[in-house]
Amino acid sequence: DTGVSQDPRHKITKRGQNVTFRCDPISEHNRLYWYRQTLGQGPEFLTYFQNEAQLEKSRLLSDRFSAERPKGSFSTLEIQRTEQGDSAMYLCASSLAAEKGGYTFGSGTRLTVV
Amino acid sequence: GDSVTQMEGPVTLSEEAFLTINCTYTATGYPSLFWYVQYPGEGLQLLLKATKADDKGSNKGFEATYRKETTSFHLEKGSVQVSDSAVYFCAPGGSSSGSARQLTFGSGTQLTVLP
Repeated sequence: DTGVSQDPRHKITKRGQNVTFRCDPISEHNRLYWYRQTLGQGPEFLTYFQNEAQLEKSRLLSDRFSAERPKGSFSTLEIQRTEQGDSAMYLCASSLAAEKGGYTFGSGTRLTVV
Repeated sequence: GDSVTQMEGPVTLSEEAFLTINCTYTATGYPSLFWYVQYPGEGLQLLLKATKADDKGSNKGFEATYRKETTSFHLEKGSVQVSDSAVYFCAPGGSSSGSARQLTFGSGTQLTVLP
């Protein structure tokens, strides 16, 4: 297993466009998390899945954001009608449900809205 | 929800100097505690962890002790190297029972080690 993979690594989009990011977790991990990190700040929690169920969403996740994990494996995060304030690094992480050992993070997708 | 206060950076040290990065947290119950490191241009990596009071996590010469009475988890290293230059994040979260509880990250401390 090569760890958590995220695609694309970079995305530049015009304001108002929709974007979708993909995350492939470690195969045996049943929990998957999305975080957002802006420059000079720590990652902020957005949402997480256990298998295919989305169990928690942060208030940061506005109606323009939607996340899915249809088969309990990979996940997608879509942002509709992007705004300049959406520019950030979007991080995906995965873990085992009963793990005490923290998360494994992907390298992230850097979104720039122009 | 959980929160964490982390020592502000940037921190600049000479090689072989002693490092301390302070971290205090507020949380309900008994969170597990983590330090993550982010090297330039890379993703976050787990550096060390502690899952209960008085546990000491250690890795790569770094150590941190879970202090329940002071709600702290300070990161220390006796002799830093240039390769330790990175951003360090303290994060309470998870729990020893394994229940769902996301990690809450501090704002990070930028460490630069000069040769």
